[in-house]
Amino acid sequence: AQSVSQHNHHVILSEAASLELGCNYSYGGTVNLFWYVQYPGQHLQLLLKYFSGDPLVKGIKGFEAEFIKSKFSFNLRKPSVQWSDTAEYFCAVNAHNTDKLIFGTGTRLQVFP
Amino acid sequence: ETGVTQTPRHLVMGMTNKKSLKCEQHLGHNAMYWYKQSAKKPLELMFVYNFKEQTENNSVPSRFSPECPNSSHLFLHLHTLQPEDSALYLCASSQEPLAGVETQYFGPGTRLLVL
Repeated sequence: AQSVSQHNHHVILSEAASLELGCNYSYGGTVNLFWYVQYPGQHLQLLLKYFSGDPLVKGIKGFEAEFIKSKFSFNLRKPSVQWSDTAEYFCAVNAHNTDKLIFGTGTRLQVFP
Repeated sequence: ETGVTQTPRHLVMGMTNKKSLKCEQHLGHNAMYWYKQSAKKPLELMFVYNFKEQTENNSVPSRFSPECPNSSHLFLHLHTLQPEDSALYLCASSQEPLAGVETQYFGPGTRLLVL
């Protein structure tokens, strides 16, 4: 069965620090990969997604993620975080040509000014 | 505001009650989804509807009964629930089924407490 692992459950950073959130998935076939974000009191929303092409994907608000197929990973990065990045971040995967989106448990990011 | 609304936002029910959750999307999408979000657990897909037809039932107990009368509305009928069913229930929609790598748009959720 497919699964998604987010090893960092809670990350605390100061503003301007660099961020990397890990995401690993288990599935041997072609996948589509997503990062969703949930800001406090708001809906889950898409941050970025990968389905083909350049494995380095740029998203909103300066976020990027790199798909490394050999490592089954899709880590999220941001060079310099801001207080407004405080949120919960969810990695998700769906096997190509399926309706089923599998989510990780989420990583709670707190950024202090 | 994502264009996906859910009512009620909060619901408390007893184990013998029957209630329904409602989801409406104003985006002209063709696919709708129900998810369950429990504390410390990944978001779990429950049901998928494409063009009003159910295409996925992720081994959900029969005490949860979905209904999709049209592409804009999705219901989740609840009856004889258990306390462990307490969770946040999220609705989402996408333009087409996920095979097209569509973005899902989520509603705010219904926080359910079963006593």
